[in-house]
Amino acid sequence: DTVLTQSPALAVSPGERVSISCRASEGVNSYMHWYQQKPGQQPKLLIYKASNLASGVPARFSGSGSGTDFTLTIDPVEADDTATYFCQQSWNDPRTFGGGTKLELK
Amino acid sequence: QVQLQQSGAELAKPGSSVKISCKASGYTFTSYYISWIKQTTGQGLEYIGYINTGSGGTNYNEKFKGKATLTVDKSSSTAFMQLSSLTPDDSAVYYCARVEFGVGRAFDYWGQGVMVTVSS
Repeated sequence: DTVLTQSPALAVSPGERVSISCRASEGVNSYMHWYQQKPGQQPKLLIYKASNLASGVPARFSGSGSGTDFTLTIDPVEADDTATYFCQQSWNDPRTFGGGTKLELK
Repeated sequence: QVQLQQSGAELAKPGSSVKISCKASGYTFTSYYISWIKQTTGQGLEYIGYINTGSGGTNYNEKFKGKATLTVDKSSSTAFMQLSSLTPDDSAVYYCARVEFGVGRAFDYWGQGVMVTVSS
C-alpha cells in the first residue's frame, strides 16, 4: 500500500502562512487530495489533484506538488482553520490517507 | 444540494453483524460511485472500498474483504455496508463518501458518519 506521511501537528499565529507536507512512499502522479476535518465533523474536500481548489473553498488554501511530495498551504491562516488536515491519494490501490496534521492556532 | 445521510449509531455484540445505510439526495445517484471509509483514533482513516451505484459492481481494499459487504438500492438512492463477525477492532466511525471522477476520484461529499461500537 502507498504510505502517506504527514507531520503530526503544527502551531501558527493567525495571519501567518503555514505549509503542511505530505510525502508518498511511491509516486501518485498528481492524484493527491487534501481534506479538512474539524472535531465531530466529517472531512471536507479542500484541494483535488494536487493543486485544484474545491468548490466553495477560500482562495487562502492552495496546493502544490506531484509525484511523491505535496504541500497544502494556508495564507493567511484564520482562527477558523483550526482542524486536522489529511492528504489522500487516488492513483494506487487501495486508496490511502495520511495520518493527519493537527493545526493549532497560537 | 448534495447530501449523504447516514443511519444512526450502532451498538453490537462481538460476532454479530451490522448494516449501515447512506441515503443520497441532490444529484443523480447512479452517476457517482460511493466509497466507504473507516476512522479510528489509532489507525486514522482507512479506505474500505467502493460500489458502482449503477451496476452494483464492487471493489474492496484487501484488508476489508470478508469483513465488509457493499450493496446498493437504486430505487431509494441508498448505499449499504454490512460489517460481519464483529470484533472490538471494528469499533469506529464509518463514513460514506461520493467519488467524483471529474476531480481525480476525490471524495467530494461525505456523510456525517456512523459510530459503531462493538462490546459485550
